[in-house]
Amino acid sequence: DAKTTQPPSMDCAEGRAANLPCNHSTISGNEYVYWYRQIHSQGPQYIIHGLKNNETNEMASLIITEDRKSSTLILPHATLRDTAVYYCIVRAVNDYKLSFGAGTTVTVRA
Amino acid sequence: GAGVSQSPRYKVAKRGQDVALRCDPISGHVSLFWYQQALGQGPEFLTYFQNEAQLDKSGLPSDRFFAERPEGSVSTLKIQRTQQEDSAVYLCASSVLLAPYNEQFFGPGTRLTVL
Repeated sequence: DAKTTQPPSMDCAEGRAANLPCNHSTISGNEYVYWYRQIHSQGPQYIIHGLKNNETNEMASLIITEDRKSSTLILPHATLRDTAVYYCIVRAVNDYKLSFGAGTTVTVRA
Repeated sequence: GAGVSQSPRYKVAKRGQDVALRCDPISGHVSLFWYQQALGQGPEFLTYFQNEAQLDKSGLPSDRFFAERPEGSVSTLKIQRTQQEDSAVYLCASSVLLAPYNEQFFGPGTRLTVL
């Protein structure tokens, strides 16, 4: 049972911000939102995670709505190397597994 | 330092053969995970180790799949009597601790093709 819904694909212009939406309307209070990405022929790579506050690190920003039913991953200045499949994952505090869905295929174009 | 490494990177097996896939986690990482990724899909959990103890093998698709981590470091995923439906990328990941905020570091995967 998918806990998240993401668009299957999106394009982004190089140098512009990429905003990746994720819907997780059934999220529980003890569940975090994680984002991973997978560049072609590589393993998934952690990007960021959050519970209810917005988060920022050197890779991206995560904006979580107040009701926690959706979130947006922001890549501030997309580069060609950001072309990848991006996975939004909901994960409980006591759950060690990562449950990947189909993700969003992001293509950054020059 | 070195990341998670997996070998071989590619494996072609004839149907019915046994295969063994190796994972070298990041040194000192307590937790180790195996995932299976079919073409065009996201990875799916297979099994989890904490040190040498296999705490969860609920994702292993059949009794032909077996994983071990005897000394709490290197892990091997073995598939007996391979079938065509076993063709996939097998990913290994490790993390420092079990806590959910500890990110999992993934290896590049082993692409298994069963003919």
